[in-house]
Amino acid sequence: GESVGLHLPTLSVQEGDNSIINCAYSNSASDYFIWYKQESGKGPQFIIDIRSNMDKRQGQRVTVLLNKTVKHLSLQIAATQPGDSAVYFCAGAGAGSYQLTFGKGTKLSVIP
Amino acid sequence: NAGVTQTPKFQVLKTGQSMTLQCAQDMNHNSMYWYRQDPGMGLRLIYYSASEGTTDKGEVPNGYNVSRLNKREFSLRLESAAPSQTSVYFCASSEAERQREKLFFGSGTQLSVL
Repeated sequence: GESVGLHLPTLSVQEGDNSIINCAYSNSASDYFIWYKQESGKGPQFIIDIRSNMDKRQGQRVTVLLNKTVKHLSLQIAATQPGDSAVYFCAGAGAGSYQLTFGKGTKLSVIP
Repeated sequence: NAGVTQTPKFQVLKTGQSMTLQCAQDMNHNSMYWYRQDPGMGLRLIYYSASEGTTDKGEVPNGYNVSRLNKREFSLRLESAAPSQTSVYFCASSEAERQREKLFFGSGTQLSVL
């Protein structure tokens, strides 16, 4: 099965700096990955996803990078703002599998 | 635009009591899901319904039952609550009949079983 894990449980960044949240996965056959943001007291909210036929995908102020060689993906947030403070989850799905496996989450704190 | 609505937001049960968590979505989505979230853990799938009239077990189904009442509503029932079921429960929905697409989550139900 798939195992997805985040490298750091917490991350603090200065407002205006770029944030990088890292995630590793175990199943080399995984072909779909997704990032969610969860603010305190709320449900997870979709940020961005990427399929294994891509190395990079960009959204609004966010970029996801996928390195299939080392089974690693990262979420980059440009010009981090206080509203970015939240727990960020990565999740992955194996080829042919409908089921997502979620990592444990990284808590991002933005210092004003 | 309500999205996914869960009730109740908070609940305290005694061991052995039963209760039903309600979920409704107004996005005309085909698939609905129930997850639990424990401290320091990722979300774990309890049950899902790929389409109206179907339900399937997820990763942690023991102690739970579900009902897909119609396309909008998907309920989760605890027949005999146990302390191990203390958790935050999230309902989610997706347009596609699979998880590996964008999920829309409700705001959660905090459940404590004493």
